[in-house]
Amino acid sequence: GENVEQHPSTLSVQEGDSAVIKCTYSDSASNYFPWYKQELGKRPQLIIDIRSNVGEKKDQRIAVTLNKTAKHFSLHITETQPEDSAVYFCAATLYNTDKLIFGTGTRLQVFP
Amino acid sequence: NAGVTQTPKFQVLKTGQSMTLQCAQDMNHEYMSWYRQDPGMGLRLIHYSVGAGITDQGEVPNGYNVSRSTTEDFPLRLLSAAPSQTSVYFCASRGDRAGSYGYTFGSGTRLTVV
Repeated sequence: GENVEQHPSTLSVQEGDSAVIKCTYSDSASNYFPWYKQELGKRPQLIIDIRSNVGEKKDQRIAVTLNKTAKHFSLHITETQPEDSAVYFCAATLYNTDKLIFGTGTRLQVFP
Repeated sequence: NAGVTQTPKFQVLKTGQSMTLQCAQDMNHEYMSWYRQDPGMGLRLIHYSVGAGITDQGEVPNGYNVSRSTTEDFPLRLLSAAPSQTSVYFCASRGDRAGSYGYTFGSGTRLTVV
């Protein structure tokens, strides 16, 4: 089955800097890769996703890149703000199976 | 729309007791899943469903049962609670239209087994 590894487990950046979180997946058949943000005590919320027919997707300050050959994908946050502080999860699935498997999470801290 | 509603929000069980975690969604979503979240281990898939009457096992299904008799409801049953099932449980659902592939999560149930 699918296995998703996520790095780093913690990341501290200064406000205004960029943050990058990386994930690798094992099943080459996976074709859908979402990212979720979870604030302390809250539910996970989808922030961006990408399908395998696209190499990069951007939404304001966040972007996701996908390298299918290497089986890894990354989340990029530019101009970080204190409200970006949260735990971020990547995930992967073969879309029509709906068996969404998550990475172990990255705790991002943005210092003012 | 209420979205995904989970009840109860908190529960304490004694070892060996059984209980059902309720999950309901009012978005007419076909796909629903249950996850458990433990510190340092992310979200692990317990069971999922691709429509009424259809369920399948996830990564950690042992000790849990599910059924999907209606599109709206997807209850999770703990048959005989164990301390290892102490966790936060999230139910999630998604639609099947372009632009709605992402899961919407409920607010979670914090379960403690003593």
